Amino acid sequence: DAGVIQSPRHEVTEMGQEVTLRCKPISGHDYLFWYRQTMMRGLELLIYFNNNVPIDDSGMPEDRFSAKMPNASFSTLKIQPSEPRDSAVYFCASTMDRVNQPQHFGDGTRLSIL
Amino acid sequence: AQTVTQSQPEMSVQEAETVTLSCTYDTSENNYYLFWYKQPPSRQMILVIRQEAYKQQNATENRFSVNFQKAAKSFSLKISDSQLGDTAMYFCAFVGSNYKLTFGKGTLLTVNP
Repeated sequence: DAGVIQSPRHEVTEMGQEVTLRCKPISGHDYLFWYRQTMMRGLELLIYFNNNVPIDDSGMPEDRFSAKMPNASFSTLKIQPSEPRDSAVYFCASTMDRVNQPQHFGDGTRLSIL
Repeated sequence: AQTVTQSQPEMSVQEAETVTLSCTYDTSENNYYLFWYKQPPSRQMILVIRQEAYKQQNATENRFSVNFQKAAKSFSLKISDSQLGDTAMYFCAFVGSNYKLTFGKGTLLTVNP
């Protein structure tokens, strides 16, 4: 059974460019989460969805960040315009509709903004 | 808001020995779940073990076990018979009724041959 799939695995781009990160959750999982990992701040929750609807986006750092989930099998996290301080590893995770089920993580996207 | 504290930024252990990683948390909720995740250099986030707060029995998964002290809000991870492949960053995490995972800052464990 396929796990959470993220693409690209690595992204290097110049400041000011638009960046789009993609995620395919595990089939049947109703919750999808986007996290950012940096050395300074550790793992931070950015936003999460339930049944494709954004529930809590309080972790989204700025208006430059946006996330969508057009259907149950696909989500995007977009940064426009990108800045060097956005450089981080971005993880997507999904879980079933039960709080005691662990979140399953994708392999992450390492984003470098030059 | 929930907080998770891992007081040991780095630890090391000799292969085949036992090591314990510490974690404390703060919450006003009564029903919640605790997890330990492992992140090796490949950067995957791998679930190691989980504990339901309403269960008094400590969870065990092969060489991994926890010491869950609800009153003290403590959730330590014990790794027995350490192996070189256990070298990784270990994160303690909390989830309550809002489904939001709160992570500690992590402990970098190095297993030495």
